[in-house]
Amino acid sequence: GAGVSQSPRYKVTKRGQDVALRCDPISGHVSLYWYRQALGQGPEFLTYFNYEAQQDKSGLPNDRFSAERPEGSISTLTIQRTEQRDSAMYRCASSLSQGSVADLQFFGPGTRLTVL
Amino acid sequence: AQKITQTQPGMFVQEKEAVTLDCTYDTSDQSYGLFWYKQPSSGEMIFLIYQGSYDEQNATEGRYSLNFQKARKSANLVISASQLGDSAMYFCAMREGSGGYNKLIFGAGTRLAVHP
Repeated sequence: GAGVSQSPRYKVTKRGQDVALRCDPISGHVSLYWYRQALGQGPEFLTYFNYEAQQDKSGLPNDRFSAERPEGSISTLTIQRTEQRDSAMYRCASSLSQGSVADLQFFGPGTRLTVL
Repeated sequence: AQKITQTQPGMFVQEKEAVTLDCTYDTSDQSYGLFWYKQPSSGEMIFLIYQGSYDEQNATEGRYSLNFQKARKSANLVISASQLGDSAMYFCAMREGSGGYNKLIFGAGTRLAVHP
């Protein structure tokens, strides 16, 4: 596709359920990032992949959060035993290369997660 | 300390006027990049402009320019000839070399309203 796509766009779940959020980056983009954006705030970094390797997961809030990118393309962010505080917009971004200060990240439309 | 500070939660400007959105940053790195993104009510994240720490000229992209004052650690966005479609949330972000350039650190954002 032309841009980064994410699915689902909206997800409503009950507390305690697991959710999986999908990101399909721009074709050929090596780097993939996950961010979380609370209402009225800027995005906060969660994790970063270089190809299939998860090189930085310092932003994942706790061990209920995990992410994978097994074939170096599509990525899944999984939240286990969801809690109400997990409610937020989850954004994926991709970039062509890695290790460059000017490397531009292209953002997907986000998944709005609501935990009841 | 906040890495990126945007002190203006909201700004108003008259159509066709210029407006400056403030951004200050905090880093001890010599190599870093500064970005501005626009987030309209639709929720997408749109890249506007980039400034590298070693760039001697202020970046410009059409009606957008970045007033980069390295000694003051400020990277203000200037929008000239404001249009109604400029009404949106604006985020300043930084990428640091010591972090491996693998994440963007965002400010809290400034909501701009353009009045006719």
